[in-house]
Amino acid sequence: GENVEQHPSTLSVQEGDSAVIKCTYSDSASNYFPWYKQELGKRPQLIIDIRSNVGEKKDQRIAVTLNKTAKHFSLHITETQPEDSAVYFCAARAETSYDKVIFGPGTSLSVIP
Amino acid sequence: GAVVSQHPSWVICKSGTSVKIECRSLDFQATTMFWYRQFPKQSLMLMATSNEGSKATYEQGVEKDKFLINHASLTLSTLTVTSAHPEDSSFYICSARDFGGPTDTQYFGPGTRLTVL
Repeated sequence: GENVEQHPSTLSVQEGDSAVIKCTYSDSASNYFPWYKQELGKRPQLIIDIRSNVGEKKDQRIAVTLNKTAKHFSLHITETQPEDSAVYFCAARAETSYDKVIFGPGTSLSVIP
Repeated sequence: GAVVSQHPSWVICKSGTSVKIECRSLDFQATTMFWYRQFPKQSLMLMATSNEGSKATYEQGVEKDKFLINHASLTLSTLTVTSAHPEDSSFYICSARDFGGPTDTQYFGPGTRLTVL
């Protein structure tokens, strides 16, 4: 089955700096890669996603890149703000197996004012 | 966007009792729902895929007789934790995909925090 790895597990940045989180996946059939932000005790919130036919996608301060050959994808947050502090999860989904989404272990991001 | 609800939001029970958690898609039909478990400071671990009108598909290592899943309608899936023990204490989250919607985003419920004493 799919296995998603994520690095780093914790990340601290100064407000205004950029944050980068990297993930790898194992199943070459995976073709959809969402990123979720989860605040303590709350549900995961989708912040951006990318499909395997696209190499990069940007939404304001957030961007995601995908290297399908290397099975790598990354989240880039620019001009970080204290409210960006949360746990971020990458995930992967294949169109087989009932479209189940497999999560990475998560990155705890702290933005220091 | 589509809304998924869960009930209850939290529950405390005694060891040995059974607890039922409901997951509802409020404004769309969900032929497939997913159940995740999340321990503190850990990731969401997929437990099972719930399919309307058929048996659930469990992930490796998840006891199907302990975690009973019923997906009786297109808007409701239930997870019953049978004979709960303290090690079952966790945050249980369901999700559903709106196949009829404009995107294929997976929507998550707010989660149910289970504490077994």
